Amino acid sequence: QLQLQESGPGLVKPSETLSLTCTVSGGSISSSSYYWGWIRQPPGKALEWIANIFYSGSTYYNQSLQSRVTISVDTSKNQFSLKLRSVTAADTAVYYCARQEGFYGYYFDYWGQGTLVTVSS
Amino acid sequence: EIVLAQSPGTLSLSPGERATLSCRASQSVSSSYLAWYQQKPGQAPRLLIYGASSRATGIPDRFSGSGSGTDFTLTISRLEPEDFAVYYCQQYGSSPHLTFGGGTKVEIK
Repeated sequence: QLQLQESGPGLVKPSETLSLTCTVSGGSISSSSYYWGWIRQPPGKALEWIANIFYSGSTYYNQSLQSRVTISVDTSKNQFSLKLRSVTAADTAVYYCARQEGFYGYYFDYWGQGTLVTVSS
Repeated sequence: EIVLAQSPGTLSLSPGERATLSCRASQSVSSSYLAWYQQKPGQAPRLLIYGASSRATGIPDRFSGSGSGTDFTLTISRLEPEDFAVYYCQQYGSSPHLTFGGGTKVEIK
């Protein structure tokens, strides 16, 4: 059974960089059938897609966040990561990592449990 | 960017009743690229429907999806106690662009 687990600091200061890692177990991140993505959800609000990456390193970003976001993959560790720079209180959210089907529907079929990141001094 | 408007914002129903949730897109969406998710408090979203009408693995057949173009519907034929949750639609488009709707909360009346 595929599992995804987010890890990283739960508290980040304003103007600093948020860094999260997603560890994939029970399957290979190097599959050619899937993308790997980050989605966030501010408290009480809707889901927002942040970015996706393919195992080869091809990246795709939400245009509204693109200037501040970097997604990367480490196939040797079966992990992918997110960096969000110059954070503000508006970046406070639960951050999810997820697997995205890559050919027929581009839907997210496996999700991590999510990790709450609070931006505060 | 394609915007997905979900309605109603909140649906108050009793167990056993039928729920009809709407997802309307600002531009035409390929049916292949429309999905629905269920989210319960404190949990990650769960995939229900992909390709507008295909149920994901393990999803009961009381959940069904339909629609095309700009109008899509998620129907729950008879609400079970565990179905009270928030539901999101999601589309994938070119550029690439991926957006979620604002969600519909199905609450117990």
